[in-house]
Amino acid sequence: DGGITQSPKYLFRKEGQNVTLSCEQNLNHDAMYWYRQDPGQGLRLIYYSQIVNDFQKGDIAEGYSVSREKKESFPLTVTSAQKNPTAFYLCASGTGLQETQYFGPGTRLLVL
Amino acid sequence: KQEVTQIPAALSVPEGENLVLNCSFTDSAIYNLQWFRQDPGKGLTSLLLIQSSQREQTSGRLNASLDKSSGRSTLYIAASQPGDSATYLCAPLSPNSNSGYALNFGKGTSLLVTP
Repeated sequence: DGGITQSPKYLFRKEGQNVTLSCEQNLNHDAMYWYRQDPGQGLRLIYYSQIVNDFQKGDIAEGYSVSREKKESFPLTVTSAQKNPTAFYLCASGTGLQETQYFGPGTRLLVL
Repeated sequence: KQEVTQIPAALSVPEGENLVLNCSFTDSAIYNLQWFRQDPGKGLTSLLLIQSSQREQTSGRLNASLDKSSGRSTLYIAASQPGDSATYLCAPLSPNSNSGYALNFGKGTSLLVTP
């Protein structure tokens, strides 16, 4: 099956801990994106990557880091500097301006 | 920065009704506009994509229109069904400050279709 997978479905973070959310796609898309969704809010862009080994900050990048070493993978690390990490995190991929973005099933991050 | 507003925030209708969801955006310099559906606790599913040069797109019972100059889009759902119950999100694709482009999302319209 072609698509985007995110893992884990639920993730618990202890205070001061860094955690990494996985995003993998087998759609051969160049571009990948990370969004954060809070209750009653629209999705907000954290980071995006339009090509391997390159990525750009979105609107709310502080406290997050990413890497893009492979076309298929775009992991997101939520660092201890992110003071309010509880949210639903969505990964997406796409081919460019003319095409839609495809979204993964999401990871819900909770703080212990 | 692109601001997106969706009206109404919530809508409850009986099965079979035709309905219209509204989306407005502040910057008309968009590449395209997409409508997505989100079920509770799930990811987004793309419904329709309208290029900036197009006026409307249709898929089954769904029709989306775009008036770029006035910063408006509408999603029309014909003969609504209980399975249409979900949150509908509007997202124009716009240039961003990093010389790239990004989807900007509204807060969505939460739709409930009752049998």
